[in-house]
This record gives sequence, C-alpha cells and structure tokens, in this order.
Amino acid sequence: DTEVTQTPKHLVMGMTNKKSLKCEQHMGHRAMYWYKQKAKKPPELMFVYSYEKLSINESVPSRFSPECPNSSLLNLHLHALQPEDSALYLCASSQADIDKLFFGSGTQLSVL
Amino acid sequence: DQQVKQNSPSLSVQEGRISILNCDYTNSMFDYFLWYKKYPAEGPTFLISISSIKDKNEDGRFTVFLNKSAKHLSLHIVPSQPGDSAVYFCAASPSGSGANNLFFGTGTRLTVIP
Repeated sequence: DTEVTQTPKHLVMGMTNKKSLKCEQHMGHRAMYWYKQKAKKPPELMFVYSYEKLSINESVPSRFSPECPNSSLLNLHLHALQPEDSALYLCASSQADIDKLFFGSGTQLSVL
Repeated sequence: DQQVKQNSPSLSVQEGRISILNCDYTNSMFDYFLWYKKYPAEGPTFLISISSIKDKNEDGRFTVFLNKSAKHLSLHIVPSQPGDSAVYFCAASPSGSGANNLFFGTGTRLTVIP
C-alpha cells in the first residue's frame, strides 16, 4: 500500500462552520504533513508531525488546528475560515528524515 | 525569495517529440532534487529524483540531468505522450534534512499535443 488517502475530496463551508479534513497512510511513515496549494502556485507547507508530535507550524492562523491521533492518521480541523482560505489542501507522508514525499489527492476546499 | 525557480510557466510539445523542463536553484546547500507531476485537483505524484553525487538519472522515458556548477536541472521526457500533460514541479532540499526542508518551484504546465 503506497497510498495516502484524504477525505473528503471536496468541501464547501461557510465562514461560521466547523469541519475536519482527514488523512490516512499505512506505509509506516513517521512524518506527516499538511500543505496548502493555490492555483498555479507550489504547495506551501503548513504543519509537520514527526513521530506523532507537532514539529513545525509555519505561522498558520489558529483557525487551522492540526491533530495526529496516531502514526497513521492526521486531521486538520477548520473553524471560522475566510474566503481566501479556499484552496487545495494536501496531506503528505514520508519516512522520517527522508526527503521524498508521498501526497494524497487533496481536499478542494471552498469557503463561502 | 524563491530558492527554486521554474521560469517557463508552460510548454507545448508534439506527441512523440522530446519535452525538456528546466529548473534553477540558488541555494548551494541543496543536494537532493525531485520532480513531481500533478494533474488538476490531484496531489503531486513523485516522478524521479537525483542526488548531487550524480549528474544524470534515468527511469524509462524520464531522465533528469543535474548541472551543479550552473545550479540547474532539467527533466527530459522522450517520447512525449498525451498522458504526460500535467504540471511538473521540481523540488530541492539539503539531503537528510527531512521533507520539511523541501523547496518547490512554481511549476511548468506541459501540454502534449496529439
């Protein structure tokens, strides 16, 4: 199994909603990541979990809240988002200290 | 400051011909380089990588060339196929520093014309 699975694939939410994005991998990777990607731009790193601990938070607003319940799962909790947060949210995983990322297919988020 | 640059936002190539996608970097600490391919509304998929101890790496129709002195790498696709139409991102990092130190270029959209 070399897949990173993300749900949902599409999400539309209002600015007062609370929603969660989910990510799962069964490759035994101990590092998991959230990226945000806008159209025609490269992926931007948001959070890194290493061995289930948050190791990097790239100055992301608190309306985005990551959670790593175990080594296979990664969530991103969303609350009070703004329309400019509309983007493709990508989860990725890697072996710790290895540079090669495996990406999920992403959640296309629209904030109305 | 963009440390990895892909100066051509788009490229069109006839089916069967060679596609050459270019990437430049500025950080001399980078010694591991990757190419990712991305279809619309999907996550990037790893394509091929190269470390700085090599100047060429080949995998089927895909070859990556690295010119360390020029801080330049290129991806060659031969022969190009319509299914290769996608956005290609190059990425670079100081090896062993972890994927959180991976820097992406802005991407080149390749269109292969049947």
